[in-house]
This record gives sequence, C-alpha cells and structure tokens, in this order.
Amino acid sequence: ELKVEQNPLFLSMQEGKNYTIYCNYSTTSDRLYWYRQDPGKSLESLFVLLSNGAVKQEGRLMASLDTKARLSTLHITAAVHDLSATYFCAVDISRGGATNKLIFGTGTLLAVQP
Amino acid sequence: NAGVTQTPKFRILKIGQSMTLQCTQDMNHNYMYWYRQDPGMGLKLIYYSVGAGITDKGEVPNGYNVSRSTTEDFPLRLELAAPSQTSVYFCASSDLEKLFFGSGTQLSVL
Repeated sequence: ELKVEQNPLFLSMQEGKNYTIYCNYSTTSDRLYWYRQDPGKSLESLFVLLSNGAVKQEGRLMASLDTKARLSTLHITAAVHDLSATYFCAVDISRGGATNKLIFGTGTLLAVQP
Repeated sequence: NAGVTQTPKFRILKIGQSMTLQCTQDMNHNYMYWYRQDPGMGLKLIYYSVGAGITDKGEVPNGYNVSRSTTEDFPLRLELAAPSQTSVYFCASSDLEKLFFGSGTQLSVL
C-alpha cells in the first residue's frame, strides 16, 4: 500500500527558530508537491519538485527532494507567525507525471509562537 | 480570474439523500480531480478525469459517481448519502505542472 508520511504531525515553534518537516513516501516518484492550507481554506501551492536533487526556495521556506531516499524536506528559516498553517506534501504516482494523480500526506500543523 | 469554482459551499444532507457537487474550471485544463478531506487529515482522491468522456477511480471511490461531458465541468454525485461521507470536498484541475484547487464544499450527512 502506498504511504506518504509526514513528521512531525504537529510542530510548535518559536518565532526566529529554524525547523524541518519531513515527507517520506513508499513508491517510486519523481514529482513531489508542497501545499499550504490555512484553517477553513483551500490549498495553496508552494513548491513543485520535479527531479532528484531539486531544491526550491521562497522566502523563509525551502523544499528539497531526494528521489532515491524517497524523502522530501520543507525547511523553515527564522519562523514568523504568518507561517502558521498546515503543510501537506503530495506525491505524484502517475508515470512521468502523466496524469498529475497526487497522494497526500496527513499534514503537519505548524504553530509559530511569538 | 475565476479558476476552479465549486458549488455549494455548504450542505446538510439526511441519510439516504442524493446530491451533486458542482465543479467548473475556466482554465481549459484537461485534468480534473475530486478529493475529500476528513477533519485533521490529508486529502484522499475520489475520482479523476484526464479529459472529456474519460474518468477513473482514485483511492476512495465507493459511494460516488462522476461524469465529464465537457472540459469545463466535473460534477461529483453522491447516491444514498451516509454519515461516513461527511467531509470537505475539493475539486481541482491541473495543467500537469500543478493542481489548482477550488474553495471546497463542506458536507454533513446526518
């Protein structure tokens, strides 16, 4: 059975601190996505990682992909309160991304405390 | 810029009732998807479509049906609603670079 596991599931961190969210998956895939969801809202695309070794950065967030280890990380630098949200990774299980069929992790609820 | 539009935003059904969740996109995407999100959980794929007239099952298709008669529309039908179908439903479309999500439909089956 395909599994996409995130850890931690809940993360409380202080403003200004750094932390990493991990996403492990159990099948071969070379496409991985990170999404952000605010309470009661829809999902906002953060990053699309399309190959092994891909690294993308936007503001205080940086995502990377290691397809051989089946691992993606979302690193948070100098956290601010506005980053509080739930973060999901999602793995594209269609061959070559042909159908963009995504399987989502369970999410990491991030709470940044002042 | 409408993007992906879902209706209704909220609905309460009685057990055994049926309803259709509407989804339309104006980006001319061939690929469309229905996901459900249970409280505190990630999204589960119900059905998806790679183009008009073509649909396929996802992870949790039981109790649902879909159709895709046009590129723009991808309705999700619930027959004989059950409490286990209480969830938030998201429709999405894709340009094969990323998914664009609608704002969701919160459905309660009582």
